[in-house]
Amino acid sequence: SQQGEEDPQALSIQEGENATMNCSYKTSINNLQWYRQNSGRGLVHLILIRSNEREKHSGRLRVTLDTSKKSSSLLITASRAADTASYFCATVETGANNLFFGTGTRLTVIP
Amino acid sequence: EAQVTQNPRYLITVTGKKLTVTCSQNMNHEYMSWYRQDPGLGLRQIYYSMNVEVTDKGDVPEGYKVSRKEKRNFPLILESPSPNQTSLYFCASSPSQVSYEQYFGPGTRLTVT
Repeated sequence: SQQGEEDPQALSIQEGENATMNCSYKTSINNLQWYRQNSGRGLVHLILIRSNEREKHSGRLRVTLDTSKKSSSLLITASRAADTASYFCATVETGANNLFFGTGTRLTVIP
Repeated sequence: EAQVTQNPRYLITVTGKKLTVTCSQNMNHEYMSWYRQDPGLGLRQIYYSMNVEVTDKGDVPEGYKVSRKEKRNFPLILESPSPNQTSLYFCASSPSQVSYEQYFGPGTRLTVT
């Protein structure tokens, strides 16, 4: 019962361009989180947005949440080669105690 | 340094030979969980623990056991490993509930032949 699905599965851009990844989910949620994973390594938390929030910023990251459409987007501005990684959204269903991850977007930033 | 540690990092074993992957956190977190990551399937939660002596099944608990006797440790036990348990395993912790950001360990790559 995987909650999140990311789109696109893979994204390749030039350094300096913006990267946008989308996440769709199925049920009502408590919050939605975005994580980053460098190849084969542990995930690193990027940002958390609660169900009553619509937009959140952290440095070059901007996350939006549309609970009516059950979707979220992660925008990385002015991308760098070091941003090359996989990005996952994860959701906590309302009233639940577990976290569901999507299958991820593989971002490649070309120097 | 605040961290989640896992051991071993790499393990190759044979079908049926019991094994334990250890997980430890030094942040006094109450919530801990185990995930497995497989190509094309993302991360799936195996078990989680809300606090000492409190554990519950995640999405894919079959073939796994866990225990939470101490707050800092949350070992994952495979009583009789099978090849379909070949995967990359991650332990994670968070301050109190799943609603907080998760801190992940470095991963354990398990191969069962």
